[in-house]
Amino acid sequence: DTAVSQTPKYLVTQMGNDKSIKCEQNLGHDTMYWYKQDSKKFLKIMFSYNNKELIINETVPNRFSPKSPDKAHLNLHINSLELGDSAVYFCASSQSGVRTLTDTQYFGPGTRLTVL
Amino acid sequence: RKEVEQDPGPFNVPEGATVAFNCTYSNSASQSFFWYRQDCRKEPKLLMSVYSSGNEDGRFTAQLNRASQYISLLIRDSKLSDSATYLCVVILYSSASKIIFGSGTRLSIRP
Repeated sequence: DTAVSQTPKYLVTQMGNDKSIKCEQNLGHDTMYWYKQDSKKFLKIMFSYNNKELIINETVPNRFSPKSPDKAHLNLHINSLELGDSAVYFCASSQSGVRTLTDTQYFGPGTRLTVL
Repeated sequence: RKEVEQDPGPFNVPEGATVAFNCTYSNSASQSFFWYRQDCRKEPKLLMSVYSSGNEDGRFTAQLNRASQYISLLIRDSKLSDSATYLCVVILYSSASKIIFGSGTRLSIRP
């Protein structure tokens, strides 16, 4: 069983479109994350949610919005896609309670987004 | 100065060699440290946490030097399967938690 899953694995779309990436974890973890890894392989955190509370919100364009319908899901919505949004997006989860973030993060397989 | 810095490499070493690389961090308030491993086109996976007293897991040894603000990873008797990118991770706790990944050090083990 996959612990952290993401769909789709690949996403190719035109500039200006709106798209969503889904993430689900079956580990019973309290905290979920979204990361962006650019072409230079630099992994940067975008958001972190704990029990539906946004606890990390790095400076990302407001075109990006996380949506957490429940503890096991954290979806990423992107509006008005731009060329610079092309990257690999990783979802992750950890057991950590609020504001500790001490635990191992388990990453999903990534979604490779290409904006044309 | 970047908050977390790593030598990008690549480190190209023969099988069986010992290799070490460091990761420096700029914020002395940093409180948790980890090494992750990322294979090409795969997700990062935890290799080991880094404890103040240093810790060892098989062929891997991680150390933390708070005075000089760096963590290190030592790999002994390297295997071909150790070829990967190694990412250091620093977590800060203040008014808002912050997770910072280094840009990674690429390691290539040759036969």
